[in-house]
Amino acid sequence: QKEVEQNSGPLSVPEGAIASLNCTYSDRGSQSFFWYRQYSGKSPELIMSIYSNGDKEDGRFTAQLNKASQYVSLLIRDSQPSDSATYLCAVRTGGFKTIFGAGTRLFVKA
Amino acid sequence: DVKVTQSSRYLVKRTGEKVFLECVQDMDHENMFWYRQDPGLGLRLIYFSYDVKMKEKGDIPEGYSVSREKKERFSLILESASTNQTSMYLCASTRPGVEAFFGQGTRLTVV
Repeated sequence: QKEVEQNSGPLSVPEGAIASLNCTYSDRGSQSFFWYRQYSGKSPELIMSIYSNGDKEDGRFTAQLNKASQYVSLLIRDSQPSDSATYLCAVRTGGFKTIFGAGTRLFVKA
Repeated sequence: DVKVTQSSRYLVKRTGEKVFLECVQDMDHENMFWYRQDPGLGLRLIYFSYDVKMKEKGDIPEGYSVSREKKERFSLILESASTNQTSMYLCASTRPGVEAFFGQGTRLTVV
């Protein structure tokens, strides 16, 4: 079992819809969870971090964490074509290591 | 504005060459990382360092070594480059409680 798993996609949604991205992780001791966006040919950039169970909202983005189910998700409301990218889920395990999922490709159709 | 700078954006090297990839950060972060990114495999951790002269193996350290002589600089060394090391290499830095900041990436081609 991979340490951080994501559906590779592609996930295709129409402009204005909600995009839902999911991630599961295997290390129950993980404390910090991140969502990065990566445009083709570019390096990842952080869009959300979450550390405790529940929802965290920032503009059009909402991160959700359920430690009991070892599940973290990212919702993008009012999706725009500029949101088309690969979204990487990252989990910081005990210590210093940050483990990344393989990423989910999102396409937002105009 | 935080900055992680990788020495090269693109590199082409020959099989068997010794290759140095340099990374410098200006945020006084303790922790620095080297990842490689391949299609369908995501980012895989090669090595990381949590202090000067300290290093830890990641998930795929074979064929690589690292050096951290100064806090701001973390170097990745390919001892004898092989074609299966053709990849995008990403350096990142962080400190406890802070997310990772990435450099712009180095696309290495070994021919």
